[in-house]
Amino acid sequence: GAVVSQHPSWVICKSGTSVKIECRSLDFQATTMFWYRQFPKQSLMLMATSNEGSKATYEQGVEKDKFLINHASLTLSTLTVTSAHPEDSSFYICSARGGGSGTGANVLTFGAGSRLTVL
Amino acid sequence: GENVEQHPSTLSVQEGDSAVIKCTYSDSASNYFPWYKQELGKRPQLIIDIRSNVGEKKDQRIAVTLNKTAKHFSLHITETQPEDSAVYFCAASIKASGGSNYKLTFGKGTLLTVNP
Repeated sequence: GAVVSQHPSWVICKSGTSVKIECRSLDFQATTMFWYRQFPKQSLMLMATSNEGSKATYEQGVEKDKFLINHASLTLSTLTVTSAHPEDSSFYICSARGGGSGTGANVLTFGAGSRLTVL
Repeated sequence: GENVEQHPSTLSVQEGDSAVIKCTYSDSASNYFPWYKQELGKRPQLIIDIRSNVGEKKDQRIAVTLNKTAKHFSLHITETQPEDSAVYFCAASIKASGGSNYKLTFGKGTLLTVNP
């Protein structure tokens, strides 16, 4: 089945530094990738939608200069949290959707998530 | 935009009993309704989904029903087992024109506890 790899699984950084999280579709080409943020005991909040080769579409209230998303290939999207602050600490999860009719098509497959802690 | 309401927020059942989680959605254009199971600290796993051209779908102990007129859909788990304990999320989405892009709006989740 479709597999999405997300790295790192957890990261601790100092306030003011930037952190990059990678999301890779391992066995299918992801035409669309989504980035979510999840606070403890809460639901998944969509941050942005990224399509390969084009700019990401951000949800209302999400700062695009703060959360940089790059979807440079059909198998890789990255989320960079710039100048991170303690309030950015959260669980970030990506999901990928394949096109066509093969593996990963028309369903969302989630990465394992990345727990970010900003000191 | 789409708004998805999910109830109850917590549900505790005895092993072997059935569990039902209900969701409503606001956008009548929504046409895809997946359910995800998320164990603590892990990724959401798709357990079943239904599209708007179907009223009911079943997979072993799990079933989902959809009422398009009332704009609500439900997850039914029969013969519950302790390993069913997790947070369950419903979601709804609209398939954009061309079918190449859509996004999910999630409910707030239901913490299901199955007591042995």
